[in-house]
Amino acid sequence: GQQVMQIPQYQHVQEGEDFTTYCNSSTTLSNIQWYKQRPGGHPVFLIQLVKSGEVKKQKRLTFQFGEAKKNSSLHITATQTTDVGTYFCAGLRGSARQLTFGSGTQLTVLP
Amino acid sequence: DGGITQSPKYLFRKEGQNVTLSCEQNLNHDAMYWYRQDPGQGLRLIYYSQIVNDFQKGDIAEGYSVSREKKESFPLTVTSAQKNPTAFYLCASSIDRLVLGDSYNEQFFGPGTRLTVL
Repeated sequence: GQQVMQIPQYQHVQEGEDFTTYCNSSTTLSNIQWYKQRPGGHPVFLIQLVKSGEVKKQKRLTFQFGEAKKNSSLHITATQTTDVGTYFCAGLRGSARQLTFGSGTQLTVLP
Repeated sequence: DGGITQSPKYLFRKEGQNVTLSCEQNLNHDAMYWYRQDPGQGLRLIYYSQIVNDFQKGDIAEGYSVSREKKESFPLTVTSAQKNPTAFYLCASSIDRLVLGDSYNEQFFGPGTRLTVL
């Protein structure tokens, strides 16, 4: 079945440093979604990318969808302590509307 | 105040007992989902429902059952057949939106139920 791999599993950065997490799918995706889960919380939707090569920005966050629609990345510029949490990518498979989640990248920001 | 509610937040059960987790949404979403999350791992799909009175197995449906008698409600029963039921259970809902010809279907999650089977 479809797999979505996400790296790294953990990332510790000093406040102000940049952070990137990468997502790779074994199959072409209809779209890719990104979610953030704070410690002890539930996933919260960040963004959805649908077009090949699409790039979207939300303040310090930049999301990219690969040309082949099989990979994606999330880049955070100048991290802040409020960025702490686990970031998940999730690929949509076919018309059944099932999301396949990556294993997540747990970000720790040291003050 | 619209959203998804799950109750209770923490649930303890003895081994061998069935337990039902509730999930209610007032977002008028058609699709609802149940996921299981284990420590340090991503979300795995248990069951999903795209319309009332219809539901489909996800990747790890064994030992679980669901019903979808109302649009707003999608309860999950963890049966005694589930070999390792202790986990964080998350319910979500979504609706398809067309924006300039592209389909958007982000999922909205409830706060989750942490189930511990003793």
